[in-house]
Formats: sequence, C-alpha cells, structure tokens
Amino acid sequence: AIQLTQSPSSLSASVGDRVTITCRASQGIRSALAWYQQKPGKAPKLLIYDASSLEAGVPSRFSGSGSGTDFTLTISSLQPEDFATYFCQQFSSYSFTFGPGTRVDVK
Amino acid sequence: QLQMVESGGGVVQPGRSLRVSCTASGLAFSSSAMHWVRQAPGKGLEWVAVISFDGSDTYYADSVRGRFTISRDNSKSTLFLEVSSLRPDDTAVYYCARAPPRRLTGFDYWGQGTLVTVSS
Repeated sequence: AIQLTQSPSSLSASVGDRVTITCRASQGIRSALAWYQQKPGKAPKLLIYDASSLEAGVPSRFSGSGSGTDFTLTISSLQPEDFATYFCQQFSSYSFTFGPGTRVDVK
Repeated sequence: QLQMVESGGGVVQPGRSLRVSCTASGLAFSSSAMHWVRQAPGKGLEWVAVISFDGSDTYYADSVRGRFTISRDNSKSTLFLEVSSLRPDDTAVYYCARAPPRRLTGFDYWGQGTLVTVSS
C-alpha cells in the first residue's frame, strides 16, 4: 500500500508568514494528490485537488505543487483563519491513504 | 444547499454491529462515487471504504475488510456503512464524503460526522 509522510508534523507561525508543508509518497503517484484543511470538531475541507488545482471558493493564497513522490502545500500569507491541521491524500490506488497531518498553530 | 448528513452513531459493545447512514441533498448523488472516512479521537484521518456511483464496485481498507460493508440506495440519495464485529479501535467519528463526478482526486463534500463508540 502507498504510504504518505508529511513534514513537519507541526509548526508555529505568525499571521503574514509564508508556510510550506511537504507530503511524500512511498511510490510515484503522478499528480493524484489532494490537500485538506481541518479545524477542531469539523469535517475536512478540500483545498487542492490534482496536486495543484485550487478548489472553488478557496482563497488564492493556498497553492499546491509537485508530482511523482514529492508534493508541497504553500500558504503565501498566513491568515488568522488558517490555523488548523492540514492533510494530504493520495488517489493513485484503491487505498486512498491520508498523510498523518501537519498542525499549524500560533507562534 | 448542498449537504450530507450522517446518522446512526452511538455506543455499541465490542463484537456487536451497527449501521450508519448518510443522506445527501442538492448533490449529484447518483452520479458520484461515495466514500467513508473515519477519525479516531485525537488522531488523523483514515479512509475506510468506497462505492461506485451505481453500487457495482466496492473497495475497503485492510483494517475493515470482511467486517464492514458499504452500500447505497440512489433512489433515496443515501449511503450506508454496516459495521460488524466491532472492536474498541473502531471508535471514531465516521464521515461520508463525495468524490465529484468527472474528477480524479479530492472529496469535495463531507458530512458533519457521526461518532461510533465501541465500549463495554
């Protein structure tokens, strides 16, 4: 089964910071990756699909890049509502694995 | 308003069964593959199962295969997950999620989740 790792597992940042989260797949998955944001007690929210396509309604400060095994989620200028946990998910095989998550909190 | 609402969670004893449901409205339910995802308290997300738009194909995570059954009733825009032989480590919030038609990745709509607690 394809495994996903994320780094860092957590980070502290300030409003206005540029934040980068990395997701690595155990084998190549082309561009079959999505990113989600989750806040406590809420369902995940889709941010990015197909590795780099912005979901409708998601602010343009979020962007995704990568293909194969290495992927990145970038928040260009962190806003107060962006403090949350972020997960990547692969769609290359019928296991639809999630990464372990990256928690972004206030510095 | 597009939404999905889960129901059927609760406290159940180990070894027993439970059926959780997810009813969709305002969505292209019958055109969409549907998934179940769970999240144990304080943990990450775990994909559980998927069913094709017409119910003809299903796939399961290794951790639930043989114990869980996903099904759907397109006439009622409802998704089901029958969970049996429950274990304490099945305790989680169970979410239904939609895979949008004609797209390869991403779950665009999620329910609010229903908590299943396995405890004696």
